[in-house]
Amino acid sequence: EAGVTQFPSHSVIEKGQTVTLRCDPISGHDNLYWYRRVMGKEIKFLLHFVKESKQDESGMPNNRFLAERTGGTYSTLKVQPAELEDSGVYFCASSQEGRYNEQFFGPGTRLTVL
Amino acid sequence: AQTVTQSQPEMSVQEAETVTLSCTYDTSESDYYLFWYKQPPSRQMILVIRQEAYKQQNATENRFSVNFQKAAKSFSLKISDSQLGDAAMYFCAGGVQGGSEKLVFGKGTKLTVNP
Repeated sequence: EAGVTQFPSHSVIEKGQTVTLRCDPISGHDNLYWYRRVMGKEIKFLLHFVKESKQDESGMPNNRFLAERTGGTYSTLKVQPAELEDSGVYFCASSQEGRYNEQFFGPGTRLTVL
Repeated sequence: AQTVTQSQPEMSVQEAETVTLSCTYDTSESDYYLFWYKQPPSRQMILVIRQEAYKQQNATENRFSVNFQKAAKSFSLKISDSQLGDAAMYFCAGGVQGGSEKLVFGKGTKLTVNP
């Protein structure tokens, strides 16, 4: 069974540019999460999809971040325009419905904004 | 609000020895759960062990076990017979049942295993 995949693995962009990160969850997982780790700090929650609906987007930093999950399958996270403080590693995770279900993490996308 | 604190940025252990990683948390919820995740260098984060708060018995997975002290809000991870492959970043995380079930993470502890 394929795990959670993320693309690209690395992205280096200039301040003001746009970047789109993609996450493909494990097939059949209705829950999809985005997290971010800024260097030296905790991994922080960004948002949670249940199928195609946003269940919780309380962690999204501001309106420069837009997440979508088309058809309840893969998800994209767009940052527009990118700022220096957006640099970090963006993780995606997915899980099945149910109690205390393990979240399976992708390898992350390392974003560097210059 | 929920917080998770890992007070040990780095730890080291000799191969075959035992090491304990510390984690404390704070939550006002009653139905919650705790995880230890492991992230080896340049690899994906994987679940090591899970503990549901309502269970009194400490979780165990082979060489990995936890010491869950609910009253003290402590959730330490013990690794027995440490192996070179245990070298990784270890993250303690907590979630609340119901709602978004987002995880709250500690800053992580980097574990080095010396041969």
